[in-house]
Amino acid sequence: EPEVTQTPSHQVTQMGQEVILRCVPISNHLYFYWYRQILGQKVEFLVSFYNNEISEKSEIFDDQFSVERPDGSNFTLKIRSTKLEDSAMYFCASSLSSVTKGTFFGQGTRLTVV
Amino acid sequence: AQTVTQSQPEMSVQEAETVTLSCTYDTSESDYYLFWYKQPPSRQMILVIRQEAYKQQNATENRFSVNFQKAAKSFSLKISDSQLGDAAMYFCAYRSAVAGAQKLVFGQGTRLTINP
Repeated sequence: EPEVTQTPSHQVTQMGQEVILRCVPISNHLYFYWYRQILGQKVEFLVSFYNNEISEKSEIFDDQFSVERPDGSNFTLKIRSTKLEDSAMYFCASSLSSVTKGTFFGQGTRLTVV
Repeated sequence: AQTVTQSQPEMSVQEAETVTLSCTYDTSESDYYLFWYKQPPSRQMILVIRQEAYKQQNATENRFSVNFQKAAKSFSLKISDSQLGDAAMYFCAYRSAVAGAQKLVFGQGTRLTINP
């Protein structure tokens, strides 16, 4: 069964450093997302991406965040200068244009900023 | 803005019994989609069941079913014949049907424990 894959599964970085989280969405999906989940809290939407541009973003997604689809398969989230409060689980997700199939999530990348 | 509320932080049930997880939401839209996701200890988000608001019939997926009450803005999940593998966090989620609006809005989650 097709799935969303994320790498790495766990990333530790020093405060102020840049990190890139990588995702390979399901191949025929058209919409791509990043969500985050701070430990013990609910899952929060960061950004959606369609047709090679951001279609929607939350207030969390400020200037330190960026997304890119550098080729036909990868979808990345870059955090330019990490802060302690960026420590969270980051989920990549994808969906078809039709919502009836639902949104499918990757296994997540645990980001720890020290 | 839409909001989703899960009022039960934790629930427990005996193995083989039935449990219902509650979810309410607030929206001014008439057309939308509702989902239940399961998050086991591995923390992956797994789609359990989905419901289209325009459908009156409640969705079912094997042992999982929903009770969708549109007027009350309620969307509960019933798990029948609970199994140890059902132990997880369960998140209710809302998604607008407006073109271009694809994000999911999640509730706070309910931690379900299955007692053997």
